Amino acid sequence: KAGVTQTPRYLIKTRGQQVTLSCSPISGHRSVSWYQQTPGQGLQFLFEYFSETQRNKGNFPGRFSGRQFSNSRSEMNVSTLELGDSALYLCASSLWTGVGNTIYFGEGSWLTVV
Amino acid sequence: DQQVKQNSPSLSVQEGRISILNCDYTNSMFDYFLWYKKYPAEGPTFLISISSIKDKNEDGRFTVFLNKSAKHLSLHIVPSQPGDSAVYFCAAMGNYGQNFVFGPGTRLSVLP
Repeated sequence: KAGVTQTPRYLIKTRGQQVTLSCSPISGHRSVSWYQQTPGQGLQFLFEYFSETQRNKGNFPGRFSGRQFSNSRSEMNVSTLELGDSALYLCASSLWTGVGNTIYFGEGSWLTVV
Repeated sequence: DQQVKQNSPSLSVQEGRISILNCDYTNSMFDYFLWYKKYPAEGPTFLISISSIKDKNEDGRFTVFLNKSAKHLSLHIVPSQPGDSAVYFCAAMGNYGQNFVFGPGTRLSVLP
């Protein structure tokens, strides 16, 4: 079956703009989580959605937001972009939420802020 | 404060030999641990996991060992192959949901 699909794969934005990233989970998966990967910070958790509700949130400013639709697809939005937001944004999906749940990652969206 | 540590940023191993990647954690509330492999420009790929009620889990060439008292886990790859060259992330999850924490990663190079 198809894996986690993220779009767009690559994008360049300027400071102050906003960006929306999209994630389609594996069919049947109801949990979608988002991560930011930078060379200096490694993988950091942004937030998780399950059945259209945000279940968990990491330590990121309010400029980072997300939502999940009834078909489990999810979007992540970053407003007022800063240079430091340049990173690989990864989406992951799993069947449900909670311990013991294997999480599958998409290939990521590379965001460059100039 | 890093809750999940991978103290070796890089490791080189000869093809056919054993690769041992180590991971330490500080939060005793972690219940579930996972290893991911990541190639450049790709998302992490799940490798193997272990629950805190076990001390070993094996899947083909990959074995994960967990020492709860030492808050330490390790990933063994036997035999190592050049295609195993990648960055390996250790991740830990508590009983509070998907908010799991990644280590900084260890870059494994398997030399032919």
